[in-house]
Amino acid sequence: ETGVTQTPRHLVMGMTNKKSLKCEQHLKHNAMYWYKQSAKKPLELMFVYNFKEQTENNSVPSRFSPECPNSSHLFLHLHTLQPEDSALYLCASSQDEHRDYGYTFGSGTRLTVV
Amino acid sequence: KQEVTQIPAALSVPEGENLVLNCSFTDSAIYNLQWFRQDPGKGLTSLLLIQSSQREQTSGRLNASLDKSSGRSTLYIAASQPGDSATYLCAGLGTSYGKLTFGQGTILTVHP
Repeated sequence: ETGVTQTPRHLVMGMTNKKSLKCEQHLKHNAMYWYKQSAKKPLELMFVYNFKEQTENNSVPSRFSPECPNSSHLFLHLHTLQPEDSALYLCASSQDEHRDYGYTFGSGTRLTVV
Repeated sequence: KQEVTQIPAALSVPEGENLVLNCSFTDSAIYNLQWFRQDPGKGLTSLLLIQSSQREQTSGRLNASLDKSSGRSTLYIAASQPGDSATYLCAGLGTSYGKLTFGQGTILTVHP
């Protein structure tokens, strides 16, 4: 595997369910990110982890809970979501938060909340 | 707060045309600028990265330029092909805000 891998590719969940999104990067990067892409809106940054430490929480509701156990893995735990949370969730990584080497994105998880 | 605007929002051209996509940003304190391609329902594929010391980058039929003083970047696509049809996104990484900020994208359709 190379690059940034996200699983699952598609997820349908009820508002009372608990699920997790997984992201893994094989690039030896130190920073990882969660972005949300809703229809007709620019990508929105949700969380930033740099060297496993959370450095940014962009006013994200607590029903989204990130976890970064090591520099290669990033999770987004979901619980009691709302239909408006349906979106494409993208994971990205970079050399570190402040380096000039660009971002690599995964293919995303398409989430539908019913 | 950085804002990134892409013009046009949508573009439809016949195959073979050369075209330019525009990106403008409000905060000129930009560290680097990255152009991405997104196919429907898919993730982002990086096309070109213009780093802080550079003014343009080229890859095949693609050329991207960055003018920090005017707050603009352009993506030039030569001899467009139907396979170029996708949404093109520009994103700036700022020195002051430190995060990648995206435009809303340009939806490109190249018809045979």
